[in-house]
Amino acid sequence: DIQMTQSPSSLSASVGDRVTITCRASQGIRHELGWYQQKPGKAPKSLIYAASSLQSGVPSRFSGSGSGTEFTLTISSLQPEDFATYYCQQHNSYPRTFGPGTKVEIK
Amino acid sequence: QVQLQESGPGLVKPSQTLSLTCTVSGGSITSGTYYWSWIRQPAGKGLEWIGRIHTNGGTNYNPSLKSRATISGDTSKNQFSLNLSSVTAADTAVYYCAREYLGDDYYFDYWGQGTLVTVSS
Repeated sequence: DIQMTQSPSSLSASVGDRVTITCRASQGIRHELGWYQQKPGKAPKSLIYAASSLQSGVPSRFSGSGSGTEFTLTISSLQPEDFATYYCQQHNSYPRTFGPGTKVEIK
Repeated sequence: QVQLQESGPGLVKPSQTLSLTCTVSGGSITSGTYYWSWIRQPAGKGLEWIGRIHTNGGTNYNPSLKSRATISGDTSKNQFSLNLSSVTAADTAVYYCAREYLGDDYYFDYWGQGTLVTVSS
């Protein structure tokens, strides 16, 4: 299985801050990575696919980059509705695996 | 608009079989462009992919479940189902069904709201 790790596991930030979350894969997965946002009691929502492509309807303050084993999700200016947990997920191989999540909290 | 809705018992006894169904509306599970998946999330923890079924009947499962999971489809009802045998307390989780898009890239684009299944006697 491909193991996914994320850092940090949690962070506190203020509205307007730039936030960066890192995801690492245990082996190369090319660009085959997505990012999901999950709010309490809700299903995850796809934000980014193919490492850097923005899903339709997702604000442009979200961006993704990386390839191979290291990836980042950046929120350029944190908004109140962005406080949530973020997961990366690889689809290079089976089983599909998710990172452990990064919880973004209000400072 | 595609919608997925999980249904099934919220309480299952240890050693029994957990059975859930996902009803899809607004789209057909016979479309070859998608996989239909089950994903679970224990309370306060991360997401675990259980497995998926394609319209051609092909399935893939997470080896961590040690062959306890079976996913099947019912095209007449536009549903797909999960059976998880020999459950223990460790199988207590919110279970989601989700559609995995198979286009120029793969991603889970639609999810059910999730259903909590508790394993307890």
